[in-house]
Amino acid sequence: DGGITQSPKYLFRKEGQNVTLSCEQNLNHDAMYWYRQDPGQGLRLIYYSQIVNDFQKGDIAEGYSVSREKKESFPLTVTSAQKNPTAFYLCASSRGGSGNTIYFGEGSWLTVV
Amino acid sequence: QQQVKQSPQSLIVQKGGISIINCAYENTAFDYFPWYQQFPGKGPALLIAIRPDVSEKKEGRFTISFNKSAKQFSLHIMDSQPGDSATYFCAASIKGYQKVTFGIGTKLQVIP
Repeated sequence: DGGITQSPKYLFRKEGQNVTLSCEQNLNHDAMYWYRQDPGQGLRLIYYSQIVNDFQKGDIAEGYSVSREKKESFPLTVTSAQKNPTAFYLCASSRGGSGNTIYFGEGSWLTVV
Repeated sequence: QQQVKQSPQSLIVQKGGISIINCAYENTAFDYFPWYQQFPGKGPALLIAIRPDVSEKKEGRFTISFNKSAKQFSLHIMDSQPGDSATYFCAASIKGYQKVTFGIGTKLQVIP
């Protein structure tokens, strides 16, 4: 089945630790995205990538890092510099360009303990 | 900076009633307006979308109304069902750009 796979579904992190969320897509999409979802704040863009080896900061990139070494993979690292990392993280992809549907993964819950 | 303003943030509708969610935007460069539906614990999924060259688009019980001069668009859910209970996001994007701007979301609850 084609789609976007995020892992892990649930992740607990101790303060001061970096964690990496995995995102893989087999839709052959050029563009990939990471969104953060918090109650009452909607979907906020962290980073996006239009092609391999290129990515741009979104609206809330501070404390996060990404890489795009392969077309199908776009991992997100939540660093210790992110002050409030507890959230629901959504990876997405699209064929690119305006008017193309964005497809979302099932999301990853990150909790800082 | 909220470029797409969505209201209300929560909505309770009786089964069989009409659910209406409104969105407004400022940037006249937006040229694609999708709506996404999200069930708890899941990722959002495209529900219906419209371009500004039409004033209305209907798919089953879901209708988008678009008012270009007022820079507003809305989602109407006719004959609302308990299975429609979800969070709905409006969104907008600009031709040639990958970035999509989402509204804050509306949590809809349809009660029997």
